[in-house]
Amino acid sequence: KNEVEQSPQNLTAQEGEFITINCSYSVGISALHWLQQHPGGGIVSLFMLSSGKKKHGRLIATINIQEKHSSLHITASHPRDSAVYICAVWVPGGGADGLTFGKGTHLIIQP
Amino acid sequence: DGGITQSPKYLFRKEGQNVTLSCEQNLNHDAMYWYRQDPGQGLRLIYYSQIVNDFQKGDIAEGYSVSREKKESFPLTVTSAQKNPTAFYLCASTPDRRAEAFFGQGTRLTVV
Repeated sequence: KNEVEQSPQNLTAQEGEFITINCSYSVGISALHWLQQHPGGGIVSLFMLSSGKKKHGRLIATINIQEKHSSLHITASHPRDSAVYICAVWVPGGGADGLTFGKGTHLIIQP
Repeated sequence: DGGITQSPKYLFRKEGQNVTLSCEQNLNHDAMYWYRQDPGQGLRLIYYSQIVNDFQKGDIAEGYSVSREKKESFPLTVTSAQKNPTAFYLCASTPDRRAEAFFGQGTRLTVV
């Protein structure tokens, strides 16, 4: 059974700090998603990656397939980055739809 | 603009009543999904559909039912058989199972 572990579960930081959220998984995957959930509940897909690194604005996502690990970085963090960040992995043949979700990292950026 | 619309945002239901949550997408996606989110837990799959007129049970389908009569619509009915229906429900769609997923804004259901 694939397990997806995120760390930390909760993170509070000051505006401007560099943020790192980690995701580890236990079996081989085809792709990994980073999702953002705001307090209202809606979810936005930030990245989908299967190797290397992707960058979008102040957000950077990296993945190491051999080590089964991914990180989401936020540079120059801002209070509007406060949200829950969720990691999800796609496993071929894994489960009904192949997606296994982590429990999320609750990020608060204080002004 | 293309996207997924869930309605209503908040829903209250009396015990013993069925209730239907709406999910509509105009992204022309074949695959649609319903997830349930509880505090401190990851999203769990209720049902999914990869094509019109076909759907499959997910990990926690008991007490739920769905239909997929149109490509754009994938409503979820929470029946009175669902023992603990109070939760946050999210609908998602993808062009296919391995593509980036798009999520709705969710419906928070409270049974009173």
